[in-house]
Amino acid sequence: EIQMTQSPSSLSASIGDRVTITCRASQSIHSYLNWYQQKPGNAPKLLIYGAAHLQSGVPSRFSGSGSGTDFTLTISSLQPEDFATYYCQQSFNNWTFGQGTKVEIK
Amino acid sequence: QVQLQESGPGLVKPSETLSLTCTVSGGSVRSYYWNWIRQSPGKGLEWIGYTYYSGNTKYNPSLKSRLNISLDTSKNQLLLKVTSVSAADTAVYYCARILMGTGDYYSYYMDIWGKGTAVTVSS
Repeated sequence: EIQMTQSPSSLSASIGDRVTITCRASQSIHSYLNWYQQKPGNAPKLLIYGAAHLQSGVPSRFSGSGSGTDFTLTISSLQPEDFATYYCQQSFNNWTFGQGTKVEIK
Repeated sequence: QVQLQESGPGLVKPSETLSLTCTVSGGSVRSYYWNWIRQSPGKGLEWIGYTYYSGNTKYNPSLKSRLNISLDTSKNQLLLKVTSVSAADTAVYYCARILMGTGDYYSYYMDIWGKGTAVTVSS
């Protein structure tokens, strides 16, 4: 099974901050990497697929990069509605998720 | 616009079989691959398995022996059965549509999710 490790597990940030979340795969997954945002009581929402493609309707302050084993989700200027938990997910071999990164208000 | 709605019993006794339904509206179950995902209370997300109308189905190896995922095309529904449930199966269960990226963004991803249905395993 491919293991996905996110860091940090949580972070505190202020409105307007640049936020970076890292996801590492236990083996190469090429570009089979997606990012989701989840708010309490809601289903996950797709942000980025194929490591770097912004899903339609998602604000451009979100961006993704990386390939192989190391990936990054960046929020260029944190907004109030961005406080949530973020998950990376691979679909190269079966499907597995990272453990999540909770973004909290500083 | 495709929409998904999960439904199920809410409460299941240990050792019994859990049966869940995901009703698809705004599109056909024949047209896409479909996933089941679950999330235990306060925990992260776990992939259960996927299916396609051709019968192409794949399960999480850790759950495979207890799973059955199928489609009811007459009702436009996705079905999940989990046998011999225990407290570890207590979770919110989601169904989701799978799409495939192309070119530089090649990946399988889930673009539409249901709201989820909560299942508790308890006597």
